[in-house]
Amino acid sequence: LAKTTQPISMDSYEGQEVNITCSHNNIATNDYITWYQQFPSQGPRFIIQGYKTKVTNEVASLFIPADRKSSTLSLPRVSLSDTAVYYCLVGDRLSGGYNKLIFGAGTRLAVHP
Amino acid sequence: SQTIHQWPATLVQPVGSPLSLECTVEGTSNPNLYWYRQAAGRGLQLLFYSVGIGQISSEVPQNLSASRPQDRQFILSSKKLLLSDSGFYLCAWSAAGGVNQPQHFGDGTRLSIL
Repeated sequence: LAKTTQPISMDSYEGQEVNITCSHNNIATNDYITWYQQFPSQGPRFIIQGYKTKVTNEVASLFIPADRKSSTLSLPRVSLSDTAVYYCLVGDRLSGGYNKLIFGAGTRLAVHP
Repeated sequence: SQTIHQWPATLVQPVGSPLSLECTVEGTSNPNLYWYRQAAGRGLQLLFYSVGIGQISSEVPQNLSASRPQDRQFILSSKKLLLSDSGFYLCAWSAAGGVNQPQHFGDGTRLSIL
């Protein structure tokens, strides 16, 4: 099973850029890297997904080095509403080849005024 | 657009009572469906997944069961709840067609067993 390691918690201030790095040393060749955001008492929300190099959307950027053993989620100019738990996941295979996501404990990001 | 609905949002049940949580998806056909449980301060644990009507696979042996009577309906059940069944239950869907499809979650059911 491909597992991920990410910091337990991070603190930042409004307006700063936040980078959360995730290690996934045993990522499989065909696996993508996916990041989710979760607020208390809500389901996780998909943020971004990538395979290699850099992916950017309206919410975040995802940087993946050539060896794909790590990835960095970058949140530009965070606000108080970005306080949440962020999960880094790599795919794994259920029987029949369907997608299984292994959720770790995530990174608790606290944004301060 | 696709939406996912879970109900109820919160539920308090006595030990030994039955359970039925329902999840429905709109705006897509033949989705893969998932049930997760999240303990306080922890990550999500996959309980069941389904790739089609009547097709259920279990990831963790327990006293819970799941059913998929219709394409976009997924039900989590128990005949007799245990204290250890308390937690936050989440339903999710992903597009059919294989791996690496993002999963989209409902808002969850907070289950408390007394």
